[in-house]
Amino acid sequence: DAKTTQPPSMDCAEGRAANLPCNHSTISGNEYVYWYRQIHSQGPQYIIHGLKNNETNEMASLIITEDRKSSTLILPHATLRDTAVYYCIVRVGISGGYQKVTFGTGTKLQVIP
Amino acid sequence: DVKVTQSSRYLVKRTGEKVFLECVQDMDHENMFWYRQDPGLGLRLIYFSYDVKMKEKGDIPEGYSVSREKKERFSLILESASTNQTSMYLCASSFFGSGIAQYFGPGTRLTVL
Repeated sequence: DAKTTQPPSMDCAEGRAANLPCNHSTISGNEYVYWYRQIHSQGPQYIIHGLKNNETNEMASLIITEDRKSSTLILPHATLRDTAVYYCIVRVGISGGYQKVTFGTGTKLQVIP
Repeated sequence: DVKVTQSSRYLVKRTGEKVFLECVQDMDHENMFWYRQDPGLGLRLIYFSYDVKMKEKGDIPEGYSVSREKKERFSLILESASTNQTSMYLCASSFFGSGIAQYFGPGTRLTVL
């Protein structure tokens, strides 16, 4: 699995967009980018994943650069409830079986009132 | 919305007791997982199941067993609880072949005295 690098912490004003970067310069062609978050004392929450196209769902948008060496998770209107540790994970896609989730150190996002 | 529920948020047991942790998901997912999460050690996979009555050992199965009699339910059993099993236990589920897009429950914080 490709290694990922994320800033250890970020602040964002409530109501503003939170842009969380992730570097994965050694990503290979069959590896997906996944994002999770974990709010304090709660279970991890899957947010979104993508291969090379930008993706959007009800929670966030994922922008992957054309060379796929980096990506940005965008929370369009951050709220206090978005304060959490955000994890970027790169993993090979498989057609069957299972894969376990493992986290690196992530980015601690603090949304400020 | 995908919902994964766990039987208890907090549990206190004594050394040597048999402990049952239950997990239920409502999305007809084939895969179900049990993890534990400890500070400094991250998320570690205990067991997973890809079908009813099927189970596979994860990275740290010692001291644990599992049961999956129905598709929606996956139980983790600590046959004889020990203090080093004090941890946050997290259940997750996913569709077969969905990589690491897993949906987690809220977690059970187990303390063994």
